[in-house]
Amino acid sequence: GAVVSQHPSWVICKSGTSVKIECRSLDFQATTMFWYRQFPKQSLMLMATSNEGSKATYEQGVEKDKFLINHASLTLSTLTVTSAHPEDSSFYICSASGGPGEKLFFGSGTQLSVL
Amino acid sequence: AQSVTQLGSHVSVSEGALVLLRCNYSSSVPPYLFWYVQYPNQGLQLLLKYTTGATLVKGINGFEAEFKKSETSFHLTKPSAHMSDAAEYFCAVTSPAAAGNKLTFGGGTRVLVKP
Repeated sequence: GAVVSQHPSWVICKSGTSVKIECRSLDFQATTMFWYRQFPKQSLMLMATSNEGSKATYEQGVEKDKFLINHASLTLSTLTVTSAHPEDSSFYICSASGGPGEKLFFGSGTQLSVL
Repeated sequence: AQSVTQLGSHVSVSEGALVLLRCNYSSSVPPYLFWYVQYPNQGLQLLLKYTTGATLVKGINGFEAEFKKSETSFHLTKPSAHMSDAAEYFCAVTSPAAAGNKLTFGGGTRVLVKP
């Protein structure tokens, strides 16, 4: 079945640095990718919707300059957490689909810890 | 707008006992409904989904759910709990009109299985 690869699975960084998380669809073309954030013991919060070749659509309250999303190809979307701070520590998950009505696949997630 | 409510953030069951996780949704259009499972520090795995047709849906690992439009519910059940069922479960909703299968998640229910 289709697979979405998310990398890295775990990252620790210093406060003030930037971290890039990659989300790849391995055997299908993902016209749309989603980025979620999950705080401990809480549900998933949609951060943004990423469409190939266009600017991402951010949910209310999500800082677009803080969380940079790039969807440059049909198989790759990246989330960059810029100038990370401890409050950005969270579990980030991406998902991808081939289009409306197509099955949605999730990456395995990235645990970000900012010191 | 769509929303999902999962009753009970924590559920404790004995091994071999019935597992019942409650999910109610709100949607102004016919919904597509999903149940996902999340094991510790992992992404999401689809258990089952309802789009159209038969309202009783069978999924993986012995789980099933029934779509009841009159009750706006999509409760998840498993006749006999296994230790490996200990995880967090998320109910989610989308619709055919939602761009790229954008999902709205419930708050999640953590299942503890006692020996």
